[in-house]
Amino acid sequence: AQSVTQLGSHVSVSEGALVLLRCNYSSSVPPYLFWYVQYPNQGLQLLLKYTTGATLVKGINGFEAEFKKSETSFHLTKPSAHMSDAAEYFCAVSERTGNQFYFGTGTSLTVIP
Amino acid sequence: GAVVSQHPSRVICKSGTSVKIECRSLDFQATTMFWYRQFPKKSLMLMATSNEGSKATYEQGVEKDKFLINHASLTLSTLTVTSAHPEDSSFYICSAWGRALGEQYFGPGTRLTVT
Repeated sequence: AQSVTQLGSHVSVSEGALVLLRCNYSSSVPPYLFWYVQYPNQGLQLLLKYTTGATLVKGINGFEAEFKKSETSFHLTKPSAHMSDAAEYFCAVSERTGNQFYFGTGTSLTVIP
Repeated sequence: GAVVSQHPSRVICKSGTSVKIECRSLDFQATTMFWYRQFPKKSLMLMATSNEGSKATYEQGVEKDKFLINHASLTLSTLTVTSAHPEDSSFYICSAWGRALGEQYFGPGTRLTVT
């Protein structure tokens, strides 16, 4: 089975600062990779995903992530944090389309004004 | 884009009663639906996988007699929590995969509180 590690259960950044949320996965075969955001008492919203092709993936709300096979990583970044970015972020992997998702434990992002 | 709905969004029930949660794919046929459970401040854990017309496949440790899953059509799957207890209180999220779309979409979740 896949496993997903998100380093840092809580991350705090100042408004306007760089956001970096880390995600590493365990797989001998590059899986499909996803980042989701969850606001309190709401479902998951897809930020971005990597399946094939370009390893730098751009998503919604200014977020992007880079798939690094050699590091088995898929870190999420945003150049300038906004107050509205405060939420819970989940990294997830899937072995292929139609398969279950394996989620990381989540990172709670706090943005300090 | 494709939409998956869940009903109800919130439900409060008394201990010992049963509650049904619906997951619908609104504009595509969902060959496979997944049910996840999210504990407070925790990640999502897969409970079961259901394919239309087949019995659900449950993850280890999930009681199939307690969490009844039915996937009777290509657009509807239901999760029934039978004889609910306070420890069943959780956030339940479904996702639906459509073969034609090649994508998986998540529902908005259902908050279950058992008193």
